[in-house]
Amino acid sequence: SAVISQKPSRDICQRGTSLTIQCQVDSQVTMMFWYRQQPGQSLTLIATANQGSEATYESGFVIDKFPISRPNLTFSTLTVSNMSPEDSSIYLCSVVGTGGTGELFFGEGSRLTVL
Amino acid sequence: AQTVTQSQPEMSVQEAETVTLSCTYDTSESDYYLFWYKQPPSRQMILVIRQEAYKQQNATENRFSVNFQKAAKSFSLKISDSQLGDAAMYFCASGAGSYQLTFGKGTKLSVIP
Repeated sequence: SAVISQKPSRDICQRGTSLTIQCQVDSQVTMMFWYRQQPGQSLTLIATANQGSEATYESGFVIDKFPISRPNLTFSTLTVSNMSPEDSSIYLCSVVGTGGTGELFFGEGSRLTVL
Repeated sequence: AQTVTQSQPEMSVQEAETVTLSCTYDTSESDYYLFWYKQPPSRQMILVIRQEAYKQQNATENRFSVNFQKAAKSFSLKISDSQLGDAAMYFCASGAGSYQLTFGKGTKLSVIP
């Protein structure tokens, strides 16, 4: 298993501002994923962040809106840029388990509310 | 592409009773995994149980078990002896070699004392 810490746990933001979410893992991992969970909805993959290369974004998500950094094998950040109320969501960081069984471990999520 | 469908937005169960949550999926992958995750109000996604598609035997984890019907692409979760702490959102998910999981819309489980 992996222990994943996310900061901030929650925040209230003003329209037009940007916020950076941090994800720290207690072990070195190759792949990290960022998911978005809109209110009452399921999880949608935003991007895959690999150390040493550009993040790979899913359809509907772009780098200008959700820039991602991956400076090392234990840390990543996701920035939500120029926020609007539609960006109010829980953002979750996840990593692949080391057992080779395809499972993901998740952080506690960062709940953003945009006014 | 993968799709996961959970047809029960909400379910309830009496404490100590058994409940089954439904999930169907579709995938073009020949080798894949299936998962049930639990998300309590604290928001943390917790893995409940996983099933490798190549295994015919249904996975079990204590009070949790699955009924995996590969031909029907069905993957239901059975919770036995339900406890108050089982109340949460339950998400069915599928994944393959890329480790990117596709999630269903979830089922909200309430446990009645």
